[in-house]
Amino acid sequence: GAGVSQSPSNKVTEKGKDVELRCDPISGHTALYWYRQSLGQGLEFLIYFQGNSAPDKSGLPSDRFSAERTGGSVSTLTIQRTQQEDSAVYLCASSLGGGRTYEQYFGPGTRLTVT
Amino acid sequence: AQSVAQPEDQVNVAEGNPLTVKCTYSVSGNPYLFWYVQYPNRGLQFLLKYITGDNLVKGSYGFEAEFNKSQTSFHLKKPSALVSDSALYFCAVRVVSGGYNKLIFGAGTRLAVHP
Repeated sequence: GAGVSQSPSNKVTEKGKDVELRCDPISGHTALYWYRQSLGQGLEFLIYFQGNSAPDKSGLPSDRFSAERTGGSVSTLTIQRTQQEDSAVYLCASSLGGGRTYEQYFGPGTRLTVT
Repeated sequence: AQSVAQPEDQVNVAEGNPLTVKCTYSVSGNPYLFWYVQYPNRGLQFLLKYITGDNLVKGSYGFEAEFNKSQTSFHLKKPSALVSDSALYFCAVRVVSGGYNKLIFGAGTRLAVHP
């Protein structure tokens, strides 16, 4: 079946511009996560959506970052006024539920480069 | 603080030899532990998980992991390494924080299998 998809795969933007990154989770998965992976680094949690509950935004690094999930499916991560330190690979994942036993399935990521 | 540690940045092993990638954790309550693999220019793939039951967990591609509660470890193992196993490996633990379930990742260990 179809996995998690993300678009675009690569994005180059100028400092100060806004960008939107899209994630299509696996159909039927109620939980959706965004992570950031900087070059040579581990994964940094950004935000987590579970069903209709309020999202866990505790990982967002600044108020320039926001995310929404429409209709419990597709999610968009928006970065406003991009900075060079925002350059990273942004990974989206989904899981069947939000419970602790569920594994997450990851998309291929969006590589963001801020020049 | 709840955390996951992967003490080795890189592990080198000859093809055909057994491999071990180390992971230790610190959580309150029962640990829910996961291993993921990231091949070059690709997203993370789920390998295996420990929820409860047998301490030896078998997963994809011939990998297994041993849960050791007294040592708070969850080392990834494979009896005979392949060159194609060369990748970045992440250990993760599911925790509850602020009422949300989160997956905390280790920094990753790069496995290099040479012919």
